[in-house]
Parts: sequence; structure tokens; C-alpha cells
Amino acid sequence: AQRVTQPEKLLSVFKGAPVELKCNYSYSGSPELFWYVQYSRQRLQLLLRHISRESIKGFTADLNKGETSFHLKKPFAQEEDSAMYYCALSGSSNTGKLIFGQGTTLQVKP
Amino acid sequence: ETGVTQTPRHLVMGMTNKKSLKCEQHLGHNAMYWYKQSAKKPLELMFVYNFKEQTENNSVPSRFSPECPNSSHLFLHLHTLQPEDSALYLCASSQGAGVGEKLFFGSGTQLSVL
Repeated sequence: AQRVTQPEKLLSVFKGAPVELKCNYSYSGSPELFWYVQYSRQRLQLLLRHISRESIKGFTADLNKGETSFHLKKPFAQEEDSAMYYCALSGSSNTGKLIFGQGTTLQVKP
Repeated sequence: ETGVTQTPRHLVMGMTNKKSLKCEQHLGHNAMYWYKQSAKKPLELMFVYNFKEQTENNSVPSRFSPECPNSSHLFLHLHTLQPEDSALYLCASSQGAGVGEKLFFGSGTQLSVL
């Protein structure tokens, strides 16, 4: 079965500290992984996706197929990074079906 | 207005009511989606439409009835809902419906079933 697990509901760090939001997945095929973010009073939006190999707002994520993980990292957290982060998996070639994790709230304290 | 627009933003309905949620996208996308976001649960995919055709029904109860008259509009018709159906209903669209597509989300309709 396809499943995305984000073990932390809340992650609280101080400004300037490194951040790692954990994401593990379960999928028998070759998945595509994403991170979506929802800032306060804004709509859910794409942060980055595995296939693009990109770094957005200083965030990166590496797909580790051995550990079935796609952790989101940033070396120095900023207060404006405070938001809800969702890891998502797409494994269906026909419908673009996205499976989301439960989300992690990142709180960056000054 | 550009992007994905959902109306109404909030809806309160009784269990015997019939209501509809509306979603409109001005992005020229061909795929549209309904997701349900309940407290303490992950976002759940409900329906996928690609070029107006339903391609996914994620075992959604028949009291939820989607309609996609064209690629820009998506409706979710609600009938005899239960209190446990109270949730945030999110609409999204994407250029296509393949793997790796970027989804654009609306702001959602917060539904309360009394």
C-alpha cells in the first residue's frame, strides 16, 4: 500500500538552527516525492519536488530509496519558514494521485 | 481572478440539506481534484478529473457527487451528509494528471454538518 509518514506533528527550532523535517514512504514501485507548504492564512502550495532536484528558499530534500525517506532540510532556519509542511508521494502513472502525510508544523522561534 | 477559486469559503448544513461546493480554475489546466482535510488525518484524495472525465474515485460515499462540466469547473454536490463529513474540502488543479504534476490548490471550503 502507498503510505507517507511524517513522524513529527510539531518541530520547534530557534532562528539560525538547522532544520530537518522527516518523511518516510511506503511504495513498491518508483515514486515521485514532493514537499508542499502552507503558510499562515495562505493556501497549500508546492515547495519542491524530487524530480526537479531543486533548492527552494534554502530547502533541499534527497530521495533515499534504501531508507525510503525524503527528509526536508535547511541549514539555517528563518522565522518566515514557520508553516505546515506536507510530504506527498505520487506513484500512479495514470491519475497523478498524490498521497499526503499528516503534516509537520515547523515553528521557528526568534 | 487567477488561480483556483473555491466557493463558498464556509458552509454550515444540516444532515438533510443538499448543497454544492464550487471550484473554478483560470490556469488552463486539464486536471482537477477534490481533497478532504479532516482534523488529525492526512489530506485524502476524493476524486480526480482529467479532461472532464473522472479517472479516480477513492471509495467516496455516494452522498458526495462530483460534477465536472468542463476543464475549468468542478463541483461537489452534497446530500444527506453525516457530522463526520465536517472537514475542509480542497480543490486543486494541474496541467495534466501524470506523475510529477504540480498541484495548485484553492483556499478550501470549511464544511460543518450539524
